[in-house]
Amino acid sequence: GAGVSQTPSNKVTEKGKYVELRCDPISGHTALYWYRQSLGQGPEFLIYFQGTGAADDSGLPNDRFFAVRPEGSVSTLKIQRTERGDSAVYLCASSLGNLQPQHFGDGTRLSIL
Amino acid sequence: AQKITQTQPGMFVQEKEAVTLDCTYDTSDQSYGLFWYKQPSSGEMIFLIYQGSYDEQNATEGRYSLNFQKARKSANLVISASQLGDSAMYFCAISSGNTPLVFGKGTRLSVIA
Repeated sequence: GAGVSQTPSNKVTEKGKYVELRCDPISGHTALYWYRQSLGQGPEFLIYFQGTGAADDSGLPNDRFFAVRPEGSVSTLKIQRTERGDSAVYLCASSLGNLQPQHFGDGTRLSIL
Repeated sequence: AQKITQTQPGMFVQEKEAVTLDCTYDTSDQSYGLFWYKQPSSGEMIFLIYQGSYDEQNATEGRYSLNFQKARKSANLVISASQLGDSAMYFCAISSGNTPLVFGKGTRLSVIA
């Protein structure tokens, strides 16, 4: 079956621009997570959705970052006024729920010039 | 707060030999899960194996097994009969309930022919 799908796979943009990253989770997975992975590091949590609502957004670094999941399926991570430090791989994962394995997409590699 | 420590930045193993990747964790929760993920150079995060805190038996999944020692708070991954395709970064992670995964810094495994 289809896994977690993330688009685009790569995004290059200039500092100050707005970007949107999309995640399409595995069908039926109610939990959706966004992580950010910098070079040589493990993924770091950004935000978690259970259904349509953000259950935990404590990992968002500042108010330039925002994410939505309006219909409880596809999620979009939005970054305003991008900075060079935002360059990283943004990973999305979904799971069936409580203590179930999270399955990851291939990520979006974001480069801010 | 939860924490994962992976003390081996890099490991080498001869093809067909077994290798153990270390992972220690810290949590104040009674119910939690431990996960191992593989990340090849292509970047995708591949779920390998899961151990629940209340599971009495060590988890096994094909050539992967988890040496779970609860009193020592360790959850080492054992890969038997290493293959060249096992060369990758390996991440240990912990979660409690629906909390996001907290990852370690990872161990880079290199399998030598």
